[in-house]
Amino acid sequence: TQLLEQSPQFLSIQEGENLTVYCNSSSVFSSLQWYRQEPGEGPVLLVTVVTGGEVKKLKRLTFQFGDARKDSSLHITAAQPGDTGLYLCAGVQGAQKLVFGQGTRLTINP
Amino acid sequence: EPEVTQTPSHQVTQMGQEVILRCVPISNHLYFYWYRQILGQKVEFLVSFYNNEISEKSEIFDDQFSVERPDGSNFTLKIRSTKLEDSAMYFCAAAGEAYEQYFGPGTRLTVT
Repeated sequence: TQLLEQSPQFLSIQEGENLTVYCNSSSVFSSLQWYRQEPGEGPVLLVTVVTGGEVKKLKRLTFQFGDARKDSSLHITAAQPGDTGLYLCAGVQGAQKLVFGQGTRLTINP
Repeated sequence: EPEVTQTPSHQVTQMGQEVILRCVPISNHLYFYWYRQILGQKVEFLVSFYNNEISEKSEIFDDQFSVERPDGSNFTLKIRSTKLEDSAMYFCAAAGEAYEQYFGPGTRLTVT
């Protein structure tokens, strides 16, 4: 089973700052999805990246898939308290099963 | 946004009892999945289901687990004889042709 490592595991910053979360693997994934999960709820899909080097933007969130399709990053510009949550990356493996990272718990302080 | 629903939201059962977790996937989706998340741990794949049969299953998905889609709408996960270590959040997910998986809100299973 391919593994995905996310870093950092915990991040606490002030409102207005920028941040980047990383998702790394030694293996290639056909695509990678980013989710956000609130306590006691299911993961909510934010974006899917498919092509090596692909960049997708969702308002203040920028997602990038590495050229070799082994890693990805999530960059948030001017973070707001509403961005607080658990961010998960998940790589697609085999018959479309998702392999999840352990998540980055982000706290944005007002 | 597409919505997957799951029932019950919380199930408490005694060790050794059978439980059935239910999911109503998005109507035009073709691929269905069950995942679980033990408290504080990663979301783990259990099984994928396509064209009325299992397409892939994990080591966790042993003979105590089964899935079916009996009426073309509901997608169920059955655990025949629950163990304490089956306590977890169980998530159903559905995907269409784009393979993007949409998750339900989960069922919290507590085995006592």
